[in-house]
Amino acid sequence: AQTVTQSQPEMSVQEAETVTLSCTYDTSESDYYLFWYKQPPSRQMILVIRQEAYKQQNATENRFSVNFQKAAKSFSLKISDSQLGDAAMYFCAYRFSGGSNYKLTFGKGTLLTVNP
Amino acid sequence: EAQVTQNPRYLITVTGKKLTVTCSQNMNHEYMSWYRQDPGLGLRQIYYSMNVEVTDKGDVPEGYKVSRKEKRNFPLILESPSPNQTSLYFCASSIQGGWETQYFGPGTRLLVL
Repeated sequence: AQTVTQSQPEMSVQEAETVTLSCTYDTSESDYYLFWYKQPPSRQMILVIRQEAYKQQNATENRFSVNFQKAAKSFSLKISDSQLGDAAMYFCAYRFSGGSNYKLTFGKGTLLTVNP
Repeated sequence: EAQVTQNPRYLITVTGKKLTVTCSQNMNHEYMSWYRQDPGLGLRQIYYSMNVEVTDKGDVPEGYKVSRKEKRNFPLILESPSPNQTSLYFCASSIQGGWETQYFGPGTRLLVL
């Protein structure tokens, strides 16, 4: 079974600084997708960024970028120029690209605090 | 506006009293799914549906039922709720195939006394 591990239960960053959230996963599959979701205090799940496993190029979305290391099964999220609105719980998630269930397997989350 | 809606958003109930949490999407998505979120555990899948009349168990289906009679609706039924079902519940939907993101509803916070 696939597992996703976020080893940092909590992180903090100063406003305007850069922070990196870690995520590792375990799978025997070669084709899959990886996601980072943000959950602010409203509890809404918001997609931040996604990566296809067959793509070597790391995904980037404005201030958010990932470092995808397929061999190491690592998928970290870098937030540049952190803003107060980035404060949230961040979940790393895995999804196998095949099969009939598009289940997302989530890590336990990292709570990010942004200090002014 | 493309969205997934859930009702109710908050619910307090007592052990054994049947309840239904509704989920509806307006994006004509084939795939729908229910997750529960518990502190320190992340989100775990309860049930999913690939299309109308096609449903299957996820990782934590015990104590739950679902139905998919219409494409847009995917209600979650707790026939006899117990305190260990106190949780935050999310409905999600997506189109079939590819890597389309799953759209999540706003969540339903359930407390079973």
